[in-house]
Amino acid sequence: EAEVAQSPRYKITEKSQAVAFWCDPISGHATLYWYRQILGQGPELLVQFQDESVVDDSQLPKDRFSAERLKGVDSTLKIQPAELGDSAMYLCASSLAQGNTEAFFGQGTRLTVV
Amino acid sequence: AQRVTQPEKLLSVFKGAPVELKCNYSYSGSPELFWYVQYSRQRLQLLLRHISRESIKGFTADLNKGETSFHLKKPFAQEEDSAMYYCALSLTGGGNKLTFGTGTQLKVEL
Repeated sequence: EAEVAQSPRYKITEKSQAVAFWCDPISGHATLYWYRQILGQGPELLVQFQDESVVDDSQLPKDRFSAERLKGVDSTLKIQPAELGDSAMYLCASSLAQGNTEAFFGQGTRLTVV
Repeated sequence: AQRVTQPEKLLSVFKGAPVELKCNYSYSGSPELFWYVQYSRQRLQLLLRHISRESIKGFTADLNKGETSFHLKKPFAQEEDSAMYYCALSLTGGGNKLTFGTGTQLKVEL
């Protein structure tokens, strides 16, 4: 069964360092999402791609976060510099198309900033 | 802005008892509503959506536009239902962006 792959599963980094997360969506899925989930809260959308284009990054803290999906397939989310408040679970999800509403989630990357 | 509220952080029921996980939303348009579930050590996955009007694993949810609610119900809880449940909303024509509630941890006790 096809799944969304994310790596690493866990990441510990010192504040002010750079960190990057990788996501490989289900093959053929044009829409890719990055969500952040702070402990005790629900996931919150950071950025949404349609193929290689960003369609929604209104909640992405652009002074320190960046996301790319250069070939419209896999994606990287970067934080530089990391802050203590960035400690969270970062979830990637994909869906077949913008009009198809089921999103499939990856296992997530648990980031701890110390 | 749209908002999803799940008032209970934790719901504990005995096996065989009815379950109702509450979800209320605020949005002036016509949203699509979903329930996602996360079992222990597994990824977040779709349980059901209101447009399908189907029962999955014995769970049902009815969209009540008058009360802006989408409560999840099951007549008889099973031990394997223990999980974290998230209610989510997507705006019609909103590109599938999901707005999640804070989740309810369901614990089914023997």
